Amino acid sequence: QVQLVQSGAEVKKPGASVKISCKASGYTFTAYYMHWVRQAPGQGLEWMGRINPNSGGTNYAQKFQDWVTMTSDTSISTAYLELRRLRSDDAAVYYCARGENALDLWGQGTMVTVSS
Amino acid sequence: EIQMTQSPSSLSASVGDRVTITCRASQSVSIYLHWYQHKPGEAPNLLIYAASNLESGVPSRFSGSGSGTDFTLTISSLQPEDFATYYCQQSYTTPRTFGQGTKVEIK
Repeated sequence: QVQLVQSGAEVKKPGASVKISCKASGYTFTAYYMHWVRQAPGQGLEWMGRINPNSGGTNYAQKFQDWVTMTSDTSISTAYLELRRLRSDDAAVYYCARGENALDLWGQGTMVTVSS
Repeated sequence: EIQMTQSPSSLSASVGDRVTITCRASQSVSIYLHWYQHKPGEAPNLLIYAASNLESGVPSRFSGSGSGTDFTLTISSLQPEDFATYYCQQSYTTPRTFGQGTKVEIK
């Protein structure tokens, strides 16, 4: 079954870090870019960046450049999103999504709550 | 960065209505434009890729058109399960960018 399964919800304090996982199954993990998209409460979809699991190469949206890291482990077909120095406005649902152009397969989303 | 602007931001419609949503890019994206449906509590779902291609499994009442800077998503006869928020997204260049969304509500 072709799917992306993300790790569970996280609750973090401001200034902390969080690492979300996205496990791929049913397809060749290295054949597609993996993107990360977030949706804050009441807001629209926001593209954060992408990783090429084959090369490890990344592209980030400028606003995430300095505090987000995308990685992958091809041995277990898993992509990771690490967010550092969390702020209250980073509270959102974070999605991984597969695609070269259109994003045709999405994870179920991981909710990150940031609260003191 | 390419800006994507959707209109309207929201609309009210009845079951059976024809609904049209537009998406305008701040510069040409050729046909690298895709449409998604997003319902609360669910992952977004790809409807149309490359401006006018229906994704497998998506009902034929959905269609897309356009190229360059101006694009349209049409739902020919709105069904109860179509009430959701719709987003366009360009993949012509990075950063990939989404429109702000169009919420389709029940009249």
